[in-house]
Amino acid sequence: DTEVTQTPKHLVMGMTNKKSLKCEQHMGHRAMYWYKQKAKKPPELMFVYSYEKLSINESVPSRFSPECPNSSLLNLHLHALQPEDSALYLCASKREGFWNEQFFGPGTRLTVL
Amino acid sequence: TQLLEQSPQFLSIQEGENLTVYCNSSSVFSSLQWYRQEPGEGPVLLVTVVTGGEVKKLKRLTFQFGDARKDSSLHITAAQPGDTGLYLCAGGNSGNTPLVFGKGTRLSVIA
Repeated sequence: DTEVTQTPKHLVMGMTNKKSLKCEQHMGHRAMYWYKQKAKKPPELMFVYSYEKLSINESVPSRFSPECPNSSLLNLHLHALQPEDSALYLCASKREGFWNEQFFGPGTRLTVL
Repeated sequence: TQLLEQSPQFLSIQEGENLTVYCNSSSVFSSLQWYRQEPGEGPVLLVTVVTGGEVKKLKRLTFQFGDARKDSSLHITAAQPGDTGLYLCAGGNSGNTPLVFGKGTRLSVIA
């Protein structure tokens, strides 16, 4: 099973709203990632969690707040976003000892009004 | 900074034609992943190559890793409309270091 699930599939929010994106995997992977992807561009790394600890933050604005409650779950809390934050948000996970094979979820299409 | 140059950026071909997508770098990677992504969906891992000179086949798709592990190619034989999508190559190194993505090749196969 190489499935990563993400909810919701689509999200529309205003600039004053607070919302959260959720990601789940049950493959026993201990590294999980958040990416942002704009149209016609490759994914851009935002955060990396390794063994439930934040290991990489690619200078992401504080209006994005990641959380890893346990080894299977990854959240991305959103607050006071801007319209330019509208994008496809992808979660991925990686298994130990298998090079850098990352398995992506289907993504959340976020629109900020 | 490691970079991956992917070419061509766009490709529109007729059903049944063959095509090759290239992924080149001046840097060595421990592994090279190829993904296919459809609009509004996440990238799906097609293959990982890790050994210089390695060739892997997935039905009509043939993937090759260069001898020096700096470049890779994806060859599709007898393309079908179902092959349409964005193909991404991504170079990997050890640990949790970020993948380095190419800019992608947008393939359109016309019936």
